[in-house]
This record gives sequence, structure tokens and C-alpha cells, in this order.
Amino acid sequence: EAEVAQSPRYKITEKSQAVAFWCDPISGHATLYWYRQILGQGPELLVQFQDESVVDDSQLPKDRFSAERLKGVDSTLKIQPAELGDSAMYLCASKPRAVNEQFFGPGTRLTVL
Amino acid sequence: KNEVEQSPQNLTAQEGEFITINCSYSVGISALHWLQQHPGGGIVSLFMLSSGKKKHGRLIATINIQEKHSSLHITASHPRDSAVYICAVEKIGNQFYFGTGTSLTVIP
Repeated sequence: EAEVAQSPRYKITEKSQAVAFWCDPISGHATLYWYRQILGQGPELLVQFQDESVVDDSQLPKDRFSAERLKGVDSTLKIQPAELGDSAMYLCASKPRAVNEQFFGPGTRLTVL
Repeated sequence: KNEVEQSPQNLTAQEGEFITINCSYSVGISALHWLQQHPGGGIVSLFMLSSGKKKHGRLIATINIQEKHSSLHITASHPRDSAVYICAVEKIGNQFYFGTGTSLTVIP
């Protein structure tokens, strides 16, 4: 069964360092989402791609966060420099064109020390 | 202001009890989703609703579009149902907004 892949699963870094997360959506899924989930809260959208284009990045802290999906397939989310408050689970999800259902990856749990 | 409100935030039940989790939303939606998140983070989709009611095994989801309210019911609850249940609404443009989740613990 096709799944959304994310790596790494866990990342520990020191503040001011750069970190990068990778997501490979289910093949053929046009829409890709990056979410941040702080412990005890629901996911919060960071960025939404439709193919290679950004649809919504209004909640992305652009001074330190960047995201790309150059070929409209896999995607990278980068944080530079990381801050203590960035510690969270970073979830990637994808959605096919004609179906209103998201498929979530396992997430990357980031701890910033 | 949260577009999606869930209640209760935490719920403990005895095995076999009937459980209800509620979700209210304030925006126009194209669909409402119920998600399940187990410890470790993985999220799976349980239901997608745009009207009426859906049933899958011991899970039942209902939605009232006029009242902007949905409920998730679990019949004959079991310890393996212990998880966080998240309500999410989908707006036109495929944008999703999530509730903060309901943490369910079912005690044997």
C-alpha cells in the first residue's frame, strides 16, 4: 500500500543550527501539505503546494523557514536557524486531485536544544 | 480564534462504554474529516463527511451542516481505541483547519 514517506523520523539539533526535512508523497498526489504540530495541539498548516506551486504559505515564518517542491513530487522543508520554540512534530500529507482525503506521513519529531 | 473547536479535550472511559466526541466549526466547508492519531504521531483518516452519517465498524460519524456541528461516536469502546481524535474541516481550495484533538483513554 502506498504511503507518504518522511525522513528523518527524529531530529535533535541545537538552536541556531539548520535542519531540513524531506517528504515523498504518494505517487500522483498533486497536493502536498507541511504541518507543524506542537504537543497537545492540532496540526497547523505551514505550507500547501499544488504540484510545484505554493498555494498557501501565509503561516510559514519566512524569516527562518523555507519549503520547496521543485519538480512537483517530493518536498523539502528547511529551518535556519532553528529556535527552541520550533520543537514540534512536522507532518507531511498529500492528497490526490479528485479525492477530498489527506494521507499523512509518520512525521519528523524535532527537538531543539 | 479557532475555526474548529472540539470537546471534550480529554476523555477517560471504561471498556465497553459508548463514547461521543463533538466538533463545532465556524467557517464554510466542503467537507469535515475525523482523524485518529496514535502515540508516535501517525495520523489516519477515519471519516470524510459532507452530509448525514457514516458508519465503519464501531465508529459512527454524523454532521449537521446547518448547525456546523459533527459528532464521532464509538460504540463498545476498547482499550485499542485509545488515541487522539482530531476533527478537521476542509474549505474550498483544499485548505484544512484542525481542532486541538480529544485524547481518549479506554481503561480495561
